[in-house]
Amino acid sequence: EAQVTQNPRYLITVTGKKLTVTCSQNMNHEYMSWYRQDPGLGLRQIYYSMNVEVTDKGDVPEGYKVSRKEKRNFPLILESPSPNQTSLYFCASSSSGGAFGTQYFGPGTRLLVL
Amino acid sequence: GQQLNQSPQSMFIQEGEDVSMNCTSSSIFNTWLWYKQDPGEGPVLLIALYKAGELTSNGRLTAQFGITRKDSFLNISASIPSDVGIYFCAGLGNTGNQFYFGTGTSLTVIP
Repeated sequence: EAQVTQNPRYLITVTGKKLTVTCSQNMNHEYMSWYRQDPGLGLRQIYYSMNVEVTDKGDVPEGYKVSRKEKRNFPLILESPSPNQTSLYFCASSSSGGAFGTQYFGPGTRLLVL
Repeated sequence: GQQLNQSPQSMFIQEGEDVSMNCTSSSIFNTWLWYKQDPGEGPVLLIALYKAGELTSNGRLTAQFGITRKDSFLNISASIPSDVGIYFCAGLGNTGNQFYFGTGTSLTVIP
């Protein structure tokens, strides 16, 4: 089954404790992206990647890092999480850049930073 | 970042009614997209629009790409209970790789 998987689905952590949220897709998609969703703000793009070893900042990259060492994986790293990073995070992938490729979203990771 | 404003913020309608929502931007987009998010899940693409003035349908859904390229509209005809969810518009930035989402319209359909 074609899908985007994220782990963990739920995470509670404390300020400053490094964490990684994994994202994996099995559709051989070039394009992958991370979003955060906050009430009243919709989804905001954090980082995106056009292909292996190619990553670019989205609208809200501060406090986040990503890497794209393999085509299928695109982990999101929070080196020193802060409470304002409490949010619902989505990973997405598509077969090409956004224009003609349908983005498939993962199930989401709900993060609480205390 | 670029701001996309959706209205209305929420809607409560009777089953069978038609629904209209819109999305406006301070910037021009060359691609407009409409997504639906069911509770506890990620957004799913409903309709993609690639040309100013374009009108595209997907079943009971119809979306239009505004002539100014700064707005888009989504209509749902004869609503049913499974239409419940949050509807997001999104615009694709000039590079063709960066997405900007609207604030969402929450739809509740009363049977």
